[in-house]
Amino acid sequence: QQQVKQSPQSLIVQKGGISIINCAYENTAFDYFPWYQQFPGKGPALLIAIRPDVSEKKEGRFTISFNKSAKQFSLHIMDSQPGDSATYFCAVSGGGADGLTFGKGTHLIIQP
Amino acid sequence: DAGITQSPRHKVTETGTPVTLRCHQTENHRYMYWYRQDPGHGLRLIHYSYGVKDTDKGEVSDGYSVSRSKTEDFLLTLESATSSQTSVYFCAISVSSGNTIYFGEGSWLTVV
Repeated sequence: QQQVKQSPQSLIVQKGGISIINCAYENTAFDYFPWYQQFPGKGPALLIAIRPDVSEKKEGRFTISFNKSAKQFSLHIMDSQPGDSATYFCAVSGGGADGLTFGKGTHLIIQP
Repeated sequence: DAGITQSPRHKVTETGTPVTLRCHQTENHRYMYWYRQDPGHGLRLIHYSYGVKDTDKGEVSDGYSVSRSKTEDFLLTLESATSSQTSVYFCAISVSSGNTIYFGEGSWLTVV
């Protein structure tokens, strides 16, 4: 059973547009929801993260929206740029020693 | 730079041979992880460690073993490599459970 479902699998957005990636989870015990960005040939890097006590967190052009009742959270990239082209992963954690459980990833392409 | 060094970065090996991947950290973090990344599967946890000599299995641990004799080093061993273990392997570290994890640059392993 997949603990976190990420969509879409791939996404093409025009430069200056808004990129939106969604994740859904089942376990209400999860209490940490990060997004990671990965460029080809590199390891994933933390982009932004949220705890369930807030519904939104914004850092620059990146925003996480969190809907606790729907058990969903999403990443919004405003004014998307070609340099944002990468693979994005959502993840969840319940606070255990076993780290993060990741979604399958979204390959984002920003067209100039 | 998360202070993580993975070695080797690239390796080609034959089916049935043993392979050891090394992860070295300079941060003195308690938690260390090994993930594998495959197309269509995202990042999946192989094994993790919550202290010296304290390790446990992750989602895809079959065919893998780990050891942690020092805080800074976490070794992943494929006892008898198979073609299904061709993958990119990422080591990660975390200062505390249920929190941000930081990834290394990855080890590309090809089993022929």
